Amino acid sequence: DAGVIQSPRHEVTEMGQEVTLRCKPISGHDYLFWYRQTMMRGLELLIYFNNNVPIDDSGMPEDRFSAKMPNASFSTLKIQPSEPRDSAVYFCASSSATFGYTFGSGTRLTVV
Amino acid sequence: RKEVEQDPGPFNVPEGATVAFNCTYSNSASQSFFWYRQDCRKEPKLLMSVYSSGNEDGRFTAQLNRASQYISLLIRDSKLSDSATYLCVVRRMDTGRRALTFGSGTRLQVQP
Repeated sequence: DAGVIQSPRHEVTEMGQEVTLRCKPISGHDYLFWYRQTMMRGLELLIYFNNNVPIDDSGMPEDRFSAKMPNASFSTLKIQPSEPRDSAVYFCASSSATFGYTFGSGTRLTVV
Repeated sequence: RKEVEQDPGPFNVPEGATVAFNCTYSNSASQSFFWYRQDCRKEPKLLMSVYSSGNEDGRFTAQLNRASQYISLLIRDSKLSDSATYLCVVRRMDTGRRALTFGSGTRLQVQP
């Protein structure tokens, strides 16, 4: 099992640009979570999906952030336009009813 | 007030020492409890679940006090490889919300 796969591992972009982060969950997992981690705020839940349907997006900071899960094997988190305060590590995690969370390796985003 | 609170540390201890971390949670609807471990620049990984009666896994012992809304982790005979950040994690079940809420973590540095 390849685990949760995130891409890219690192992203450096200029303020105002669109950024798209990608996640492939573990096959068979029906929950997918997006978290953001910063030194100041720790790990924060942004949004999560169950069977490809968004369940709770109350953690999405503002309209600049959007997430989609078009099928069971793929999800994206998009920031448009990006700002320096969006710099963080973004983690994707997946789980099923019988298994705990498995996190991907994360995407380290730097907005300059 | 944060939903999960931890002392950020760092805890600097010599090899072989016993160290304890504490965590408090604010929502009485919290039903599931975990300790995760996060190494520097890596993703969080499940260390152990925390059960009401307390549980042990090798050198690690977790305790839960529902009345005080308090969770603890005890590490005996510390190893250099235990150096990491330990995240206290809770899951609420009142709204069926499956997502985990993470504390900001307690950093442990085991010294030779």
